[in-house]
Amino acid sequence: GAVVSQHPSRVICKSGTSVKIECRSLDFQATTMFWYRQFPKQSLMLMATSNEGSKATYEQGVEKDKFLINHASLTLSTLTVTSAHPEDSSFYICSAVGPSGDSPLHFGNGTRLTVT
Amino acid sequence: QQQVKQSPQSLIVQKGGISIINCAYENTAFDYFPWYQQFPGKGPALLIAIRPDVSEKKEGRFTISFNKSAKQFSLHIMDSQPGDSATYFCAAETSGTYKYIFGTGTRLKVLA
Repeated sequence: GAVVSQHPSRVICKSGTSVKIECRSLDFQATTMFWYRQFPKQSLMLMATSNEGSKATYEQGVEKDKFLINHASLTLSTLTVTSAHPEDSSFYICSAVGPSGDSPLHFGNGTRLTVT
Repeated sequence: QQQVKQSPQSLIVQKGGISIINCAYENTAFDYFPWYQQFPGKGPALLIAIRPDVSEKKEGRFTISFNKSAKQFSLHIMDSQPGDSATYFCAAETSGTYKYIFGTGTRLKVLA
């Protein structure tokens, strides 16, 4: 149980275009999801907290107009990287609070974004 | 104060050996300490977790040792196998915040 699915697993886009990444909780409802960014051989950095039915909360230094988050249902959060640039290339991972409403967090398998 | 320091950065162990990864924290408000395993190109998967009310927790070949007074915790992988070769992250959280502070990761390689 408590499976989190991300789609796509890999995406390549051209500079200046926008890319949408989906994060779904498959067998439970997730009122809260989280988006992370991970650079090669580095740790996970929390970008934002996605709350169903309300605005996302962004961590300091994360551009909310560049990384648009929408949590329109209890099982789906989306991250849109707008006007992507090569420096946005990274591994993006989402997580969700499990059905018990308590830790641990359940992570998706990540999306490798490459901006050319 | 929000940092979690993890060491070593990389570790090479012979098959059958014990792998030990250490983490230290400063924030005494942290009360949940999970360990995650991550394979290349995949998301982190929970291995084992501990709360400060116990000093040790064992699940199969994985053991967490927790020293509350020293604000340190460690992961021991017994009988390490080549399939354990991955990056391991410790994390810390204050319950209810869901804001995990991750360590910097340890790349483990188990030689066959």
